[in-house]
Amino acid sequence: GAVVSQHPSWVICKSGTSVKIECRSLDFQATTMFWYRQFPKQSLMLMATSNEGSKATYEQGVEKDKFLINHASLTLSTLTVTSAHPEDSSFYICSARSRGGLAVYEQYFGPGTRLTVT
Amino acid sequence: DAKTTQPPSMDCAEGRAANLPCNHSTISGNEYVYWYRQIHSQGPQYIIHGLKNNETNEMASLIITEDRKSSTLILPHATLRDTAVYYCIVRVAILREGAQKLVFGQGTRLTINP
Repeated sequence: GAVVSQHPSWVICKSGTSVKIECRSLDFQATTMFWYRQFPKQSLMLMATSNEGSKATYEQGVEKDKFLINHASLTLSTLTVTSAHPEDSSFYICSARSRGGLAVYEQYFGPGTRLTVT
Repeated sequence: DAKTTQPPSMDCAEGRAANLPCNHSTISGNEYVYWYRQIHSQGPQYIIHGLKNNETNEMASLIITEDRKSSTLILPHATLRDTAVYYCIVRVAILREGAQKLVFGQGTRLTINP
């Protein structure tokens, strides 16, 4: 299957700072990327959907000014957690859907980024 | 999308078949059943999907009941590396632009014991 990478794989930051997480589709063009968040022992929660060149669509309850998503190219999306607080500590997972892919299984997941805010 | 119900946890002995059930009693005719799994601290991995016929690939088999209200994922010879959370998701197969969400339930935490 296609490969999605995330960078960094883990990050520790201080409260009040901002953190950027990158998501790249390595061998395919991703017209749509998704960002999920997962707290310990819980399921994945969809945060937002982004289409290349368009503004992201955020799920209800997700603050768009706090979680900035940029999908500037067909292979890169970034999630910036602004003014991070300890409650933002979580496992962030991105997913990418390939251009022309219409079936759900053509959605590929990255390995995740563990964010710890101290 | 139809909702799914899965047992929160299951255990299976290494080398035996692991059978993971999923109920989706409100599934509609154009909805497929998909299975993903998530090994600890990794991203989800696609396993298999099906509409109404049983499906098999190199990872698993999917058995869907005739009324399509439930299904079972079968890992024929479970290994320790199959320990993971398994998610059963019901979705339409062809995604319209703008209707692209993949929503995860709580899944089943499968533990393979040596």
